[in-house]
This record gives sequence, C-alpha cells and structure tokens, in this order.
Amino acid sequence: SAVISQKPSRDICQRGTSLTIQCQVDSQVTMMFWYRQQPGQSLTLIATANQGSEATYESGFVIDKFPISRPNLTFSTLTVSNMSPEDSSIYLCSVGTGGSPGEQFFGPGTRLTVL
Amino acid sequence: AQSVAQPEDQVNVAEGNPLTVKCTYSVSGNPYLFWYVQYPNRGLQFLLKYITGDNLVKGSYGFEAEFNKSQTSFHLKKPSALVSDSALYFCAVRDWTGANNLFFGTGTRLTVIP
Repeated sequence: SAVISQKPSRDICQRGTSLTIQCQVDSQVTMMFWYRQQPGQSLTLIATANQGSEATYESGFVIDKFPISRPNLTFSTLTVSNMSPEDSSIYLCSVGTGGSPGEQFFGPGTRLTVL
Repeated sequence: AQSVAQPEDQVNVAEGNPLTVKCTYSVSGNPYLFWYVQYPNRGLQFLLKYITGDNLVKGSYGFEAEFNKSQTSFHLKKPSALVSDSALYFCAVRDWTGANNLFFGTGTRLTVIP
C-alpha cells in the first residue's frame, strides 16, 4: 500500500482565481491519477500524471483548465484554473502501485468551494 | 467502453442482518473489479478486488463479493451488518488492457440501522 497526503485539505476560492493542489506519496510510484468527485456524484478521472512526460487527459478535461505537474515519482500537482462555481468538488489524487492490476490507493481529497 | 452500474442509490439494513450492495459492469474482455468505501470526510479505502480465480472474493472488514460472469455482476455482501459499516460504497472496473485508470459507479449509500 501507499500513504498519500494532499494539500490543502479544503479551500474556499473566488471566481476567476486558480488553486494548486499538491499530492505527496510516501514511496515511488509510476502512475498517479487525479479524480474529481462533484457533490453527490461519483468519481470522474481527470487525467493520468506521468513522470517525465505530459499528463494524459480524459475526454472533457483540458490542460489549460487543469494543468498537471509530475516532477518526480513521489509528487504531483493539479491546478484548477480560472475557477467557476461549477468547479466546486472534491479533488482526489490516487496512485497505482503496479503490484496489483488496477488497484489504486487514494489520498484524503481536497474539498474546493468556489464562490 | 467500460461502465459500471450501481442500481441502488440507498440501501438500508438493520444491524445484524445480511447486506448486499449491487453492482453490474460492462467491459471488453476480462474485467478487473473493485469495491471501495468512503466514510464521511475521508478518502476512498480499498475493500476488495477480483482479478481472476475464485468467484467469491473476501476483503477487509468482513466484506466479500461474488463475481458472476454470466450476469456481469459483482455484488458486495456481508453476513452481519454493523452500524459502523454505514458509508458510501463504490464499485469500479477496468479492463485487462490499457492504462490503470478505473471507472467508478455512482455509489450506494449504505445505512445500517441500530
């Protein structure tokens, strides 16, 4: 398993601003993922963060809105840019350890409210 | 394309009674299936998975799930529910090819009544 921390745990932001969320893992992992969980809804994958290359975005998500960095094998950031109230969600980081096909471990999440 | 359906938004069960949380899936090829639990104000916790082998999979906290290929189902079960089992449960799937990203169901809120 892996221990994952996220910062901040929650934030309240103004419309039009940007917020960067950090994800730190206690071990080196190949694959890191960013998900969004909108109020009362399921998780939706935003992108896969690859170390040393561009992130791979899912349909409906673009790099200009959700830029991702992955500078090393234990850290990643997700920025939510030019925020609107529709961006209010929980943002979750997860890692795939590679030891088991598809098994992922999740961070505690960042609860974002945009006013 | 992969997809997961959790037909029940809410399941209520009395403490001590058996519980079932339903999940059906659609995937190309052999599925990898997972159950996660989300307690209030906490992240998702892995419960159990089916990759291959025995259709009955045992996981954390006394939960188990049965893989049924003909019915494309992976229902979560527990013989005797505890009040502390009250949480949001997510079923997830990925196929055996491609990246490790998971596709999640919409979640089922389980309430165990004392």
